[in-house]
Amino acid sequence: AQSVAQPEDQVNVAEGNPLTVKCTYSVSGNPYLFWYVQYPNRGLQFLLKYITGDNLVKGSYGFEAEFNKSQTSFHLKKPSALVSDSALYFCAVRDRRDSNYQLIWGAGTKLIIKP
Amino acid sequence: DTGVSQDPRHKITKRGQNVTFRCDPISEHNRLYWYRQTLGQGPEFLTYFQNEAQLEKSRLLSDRFSAERPKGSFSTLEIQRTEQGDSAMYLCASSFDRGSHNEQFFGPGTRLTVL
Repeated sequence: AQSVAQPEDQVNVAEGNPLTVKCTYSVSGNPYLFWYVQYPNRGLQFLLKYITGDNLVKGSYGFEAEFNKSQTSFHLKKPSALVSDSALYFCAVRDRRDSNYQLIWGAGTKLIIKP
Repeated sequence: DTGVSQDPRHKITKRGQNVTFRCDPISEHNRLYWYRQTLGQGPEFLTYFQNEAQLEKSRLLSDRFSAERPKGSFSTLEIQRTEQGDSAMYLCASSFDRGSHNEQFFGPGTRLTVL
């Protein structure tokens, strides 16, 4: 079965330190990969996506993600965390062959940046 | 472009009542999705439309749920005979239909509380 795993329910990082939010997936073929962020009482906001090409993808708010095909991972990273980055982060994947364009979602990781 | 909008933002109802939510997608987007999200979880797919055609419905969508997109623009999601288990955030998203790599843009959601 196709699935997305975000192994950490919560990640705590001190402001100014680098952060990583992990995502691994189990999808056949070469999927499209997405990261979204959700602030309290808000909808999901698109951060970045991997389609093809360079394994390092840059997105909004200084975030980037690294696609690793052999490890089937797509970890979200930021070199220097801000308190305002505190939010819920979701990884999602889509099978390129799915004509319905459905996203398979991880359960989310709560990121807490401490001053 | 005002983004995806949803109305109402909050709805409190008594068990057994019917409720209807509205979603206005980004104007040039022809795909529209409905998701349900409970606290601490990722979005669960409910259904989606391509223009006015409803192309897929999740097994989560019992016969108490119905969605429409009559003119291929806004959409409504109705829940009949609400149950306490229906309490959740209902998210709407829209996207271009120009390739499965296109990201979905989400509205702020409608939070339903069934008493």
